[in-house]
Amino acid sequence: QLTQSPSSLSASVGDSVTITCRASQGISSYLAWYQQKPGKAPKLLIYAASTLQSGVPSRFSGSGSGTDFSLTISSLQPEDFATYYCQQLNSSPLTFGQGTRLEIK
Amino acid sequence: EVQLLESGGGLVQPGGSLRLSCTASGFTFSSSAMTWVRQAPGEGLEWVSTITNSGTGTYYVDSVKGRFTISRDNSKNTLYLQMNSLSAEDTAVYYCAKYVVGGNSPRYFEYWGQGTLVTVSS
Repeated sequence: QLTQSPSSLSASVGDSVTITCRASQGISSYLAWYQQKPGKAPKLLIYAASTLQSGVPSRFSGSGSGTDFSLTISSLQPEDFATYYCQQLNSSPLTFGQGTRLEIK
Repeated sequence: EVQLLESGGGLVQPGGSLRLSCTASGFTFSSSAMTWVRQAPGEGLEWVSTITNSGTGTYYVDSVKGRFTISRDNSKNTLYLQMNSLSAEDTAVYYCAKYVVGGNSPRYFEYWGQGTLVTVSS
């Protein structure tokens, strides 16, 4: 089970925000982060907890291992306002966090 | 360019069946594990099923075991999801995704299709 927090977040362009994801048991580094915009498919941002997917801006970063993980977005841009999900891929079922909706303040 | 195109969604009555397809291009389909993820209206993402590249291994979330069957035709670069005994709780957008996995290597859903909507209602 993955517990993602906060469930929603308001921030301004230029701010830095952090989303956390906690696993109920150790998942090594088998954690990914996705961004989803309304009406669109999710997009992979980070895998293996901290590896940036090709083409993803460097303002996105991930950290953690074991049970505690985080996604940080520095210097928010207008296109970053979306919903973010963590996902554990250590064992089946491959669960997602509940999502964090990032809104413009 | 990688493309995943789902089809087969639509309106179905409770208890009915539907088969979803996902046609892939832009990568070596036969070398890739594939997966289905769904998203109920206004809700989060839920992993549904995964199939290995050869098709010999299949995995399901408990809520669909015995009702859904994942399969693939590597000669057609196509992934399928046969859904039987559908209920309102299965109403969702269904996405297919390319699943990068192997041994101790990183694992992730690399590319996603645009999704197909399944509505179960009388």
